[in-house]
Amino acid sequence: QVQLQESGPGLVKPSQTLSLTCAVSGDSISSGTHYWSWIRQPAGKGLEWIGRTYSSGSTKYNPSLRSRVTMSVDTSKNQFSLNLSSVTAADTAVYYCARMRGYVFDYWGQGALVTVSS
Amino acid sequence: DIQMTQSPSTLSASVGDRVTITCRASENINYWLAWYQQKAGKAPKLLIYAASSLESGVPSRFSGSGSGTEFTLTISSLQPDDFATYYCQQYDRWTFGQGTKIEVK
Repeated sequence: QVQLQESGPGLVKPSQTLSLTCAVSGDSISSGTHYWSWIRQPAGKGLEWIGRTYSSGSTKYNPSLRSRVTMSVDTSKNQFSLNLSSVTAADTAVYYCARMRGYVFDYWGQGALVTVSS
Repeated sequence: DIQMTQSPSTLSASVGDRVTITCRASENINYWLAWYQQKAGKAPKLLIYAASSLESGVPSRFSGSGSGTEFTLTISSLQPDDFATYYCQQYDRWTFGQGTKIEVK
């Protein structure tokens, strides 16, 4: 069974960088079969795709966040990561990592709440 | 950018009701549309892909239809486990609709 688990600080100060990691089990990132994405959801609001990465390290980001987002993959640890710089309160959200099958998200992590506050 | 508009935003229904949610795209997306169910505090769950293909393990009371710019998700007989928020999602930059919450009437 494929499982994804987000980890990282739950509290980040304004202007700093939000960093999260997604550990994958039950599938191998290095197989190159899937893309791997980050999606976020502010409290009470809808879903926003942040970006995706691949085993080769290639990335594609949401244009609205592109200037602040960096994603990377570590195939040796079977995990991928998200960095979001210069955060503000508007970046407070539950952050999900997800596996992509084609253009859909078929497996999701449980989500990690990140609060931006001083 | 392709915009996705769901309606209604909230739907009040009873167990056993037939429920339909609509998702409209601002441009033709052929059949590149998926539907997800999200329960409070949980991650979304894929229900339908390619507009009408049922994801493995999803009950057959869920069905999807449409192509081009207008799509529907139908629950043929609403069950207690189906009270949740539903999102459509299209392939271009993986944009989601704003969600439809099904609540108890």
